[in-house]
Amino acid sequence: KAGVTQTPRYLIKTRGQQVTLSCSPISGHRSVSWYQQTPGQGLQFLFEYFSETQRNKGNFPGRFSGRQFSNSRSEMNVSTLELGDSALYLCASSSGLVQFFGPGTRLTVL
Amino acid sequence: LAKTTQPISMDSYEGQEVNITCSHNNIATNDYITWYQQFPSQGPRFIIQGYKTKVTNEVASLFIPADRKSSTLSLPRVSLSDTAVYYCLVGPMNQAGTALIFGKGTTLSVSS
Repeated sequence: KAGVTQTPRYLIKTRGQQVTLSCSPISGHRSVSWYQQTPGQGLQFLFEYFSETQRNKGNFPGRFSGRQFSNSRSEMNVSTLELGDSALYLCASSSGLVQFFGPGTRLTVL
Repeated sequence: LAKTTQPISMDSYEGQEVNITCSHNNIATNDYITWYQQFPSQGPRFIIQGYKTKVTNEVASLFIPADRKSSTLSLPRVSLSDTAVYYCLVGPMNQAGTALIFGKGTTLSVSS
């Protein structure tokens, strides 16, 4: 089976802009989670979707949002980008006990 | 989710066996123990998961004592490519919408 894919792999934006990241889960997986990883805060949970519904949300501001489509693909959006949003954004898909991560999208905000 | 404690760093040489212990005193009855490996600028990679006793796969072994308050990840005959951060996570992995809580992990450095 193909693994979790994320696009784009790298992205450079400026403050105030918005960005959309995409994640395609492993075939058959209906749960998709998003995480942010920074050197200072480590890996932090953003939100989780299952069957197009958000089931869990981490402690992030409303500028961070996401959605899931009927084919389980997911997108996350960050509006009004800040310098502190520079991070590796990771998507993980799950069919039960284990979450499998994608390679991540490296976002740099200038 | 149960809090975990693991060493910040470990050093080893190629060919040695490496054991990384994780403490999770407040583990709940329905919690599983899961280990991930992460290389720089890549997503965490699932290594192994267990509930009790011993679990072994082609990559590693996981030892869990009867009281389940700790666990040990064993990597046999490490190589330079095993240099990475290893995370121990404890939680109800079969619970809907589970958010994985990552600590700082253990940075393993393997030298030749």
